[in-house]
Amino acid sequence: EDQVTQSPEALRLQEGESSSLNCSYTVSGLRGLFWYRQDPGKGPEFLFTLYSAGEEKEKERLKATLTKKESFLHITAPKPEDSATYLCAVVGTGFQKLVFGTGTRLLVSP
Amino acid sequence: DAGVIQSPRHEVTEMGQEVTLRCKPISGHNSLFWYRQTMMRGLELLIYFNNNVPIDDSGMPEDRFSAKMPNASFSTLKIQPSEPRDSAVYFCASSTYTGFNEQFFGPGTRLTVL
Repeated sequence: EDQVTQSPEALRLQEGESSSLNCSYTVSGLRGLFWYRQDPGKGPEFLFTLYSAGEEKEKERLKATLTKKESFLHITAPKPEDSATYLCAVVGTGFQKLVFGTGTRLLVSP
Repeated sequence: DAGVIQSPRHEVTEMGQEVTLRCKPISGHNSLFWYRQTMMRGLELLIYFNNNVPIDDSGMPEDRFSAKMPNASFSTLKIQPSEPRDSAVYFCASSTYTGFNEQFFGPGTRLTVL
């Protein structure tokens, strides 16, 4: 069974304090790993898709990386508006079936 | 583009009542997904459709849950009878079908069953 574990559950940072979120996964035949951002009271918003180990993608202060067992979401010099829950999900041989982790709640204080 | 539209946004009902949640996917998307999100279990896939046909409903918790997609622009998720443990936020998402693509989520329906 495909599984995704995210850590830490919650992270509190000062504005400008860089850090990383972890997503460990177990999947038979990874087809893709997804990162989403979710603000309170809203649906998840797509950030990145990574397909193979070694791949990296960037968007503003966010950078996602992928290895054969885990993915990291690096946040460089975060701002308060980066506060949200970050969700990781994988698609394995279940094709379109996304399996989500429980997320990391990030709070960035000014 | 209006994005994925869900209604109602909030629903409060009493145990035993029928609940119907509605979703309009993004125009041109031919895959539609229903998820449930709780604090304990996170985001779980209930069922998904490709070209209006149900493909995988293994996440539907019980026979009390049913979903339909009568056309490309409308889907419903029905719970009958509802129970307090069904209280959760239900999301609808859509995507283009090219194997596995990013899914676009609606704002969700917060369901409370008393």
